[in-house]
Amino acid sequence: EVLLVESGGGLVKPGGSLGLSCTASGFSFSAYNMNWVRQAPGKGLEWVSSMTRGTGKTYYADSVKGRFTVSRDNAKNSLFLQMNSLRVDDTALYFCAREQITGSALDYWGQGTPVTVSS
Amino acid sequence: QSALTQPRSVSGSPGQSVTISCTGTSSDVGAYNYVSWYQQHPGKVPKLMIYDVTKRPSGVPDRFSGSKSGNTASLTISGLQAEDEADYFCCSHAGTYTWVFGGGTKLTVL
Repeated sequence: EVLLVESGGGLVKPGGSLGLSCTASGFSFSAYNMNWVRQAPGKGLEWVSSMTRGTGKTYYADSVKGRFTVSRDNAKNSLFLQMNSLRVDDTALYFCAREQITGSALDYWGQGTPVTVSS
Repeated sequence: QSALTQPRSVSGSPGQSVTISCTGTSSDVGAYNYVSWYQQHPGKVPKLMIYDVTKRPSGVPDRFSGSKSGNTASLTISGLQAEDEADYFCCSHAGTYTWVFGGGTKLTVL
């Protein structure tokens, strides 16, 4: 069974930092591109970042570019998101999502970890 | 990276059909056949319902179908059931390894 479990969310002040983790199981983690997607309270889904298998190239939404850094540790079946210079509008539930092997959709999602940025 | 445009809400009675549109641009929906649709019940995780514009993952009822014309993709749900009441989000590739979602559509089954 494919499982994605996020952790690391919490309450942080504007300008602060937070690191999220996503631990995968039930599939060959290193063979898949992985993504972070967020959902602000009562709002829609917003793609945040992706990291490819193999070369480990990274991609970011304009809204987080320069502030967030995605990384992965294939030996530990884990995906990470380091979030710096956090803003109030970064408040959201952060999901880790696996990209289908064909690269055409996000087929498995974790339960999400909540991040609240507030003074 | 502007969000794809979806109607805020649609509704239908049990047994009827509804269609949800998703309008993008020639840089996302119009450029790729990588449109997907996700169903999200309140407090739950998004579930993949359609990928590659028209394909259904295993376990998704064939009442759900997808299509695309130009810069607009559509999700049609036929034979509406009470359990279909949920939020639906479209998604498209928007460039290499980047994605853009629609704002979401709330489906109400009357």
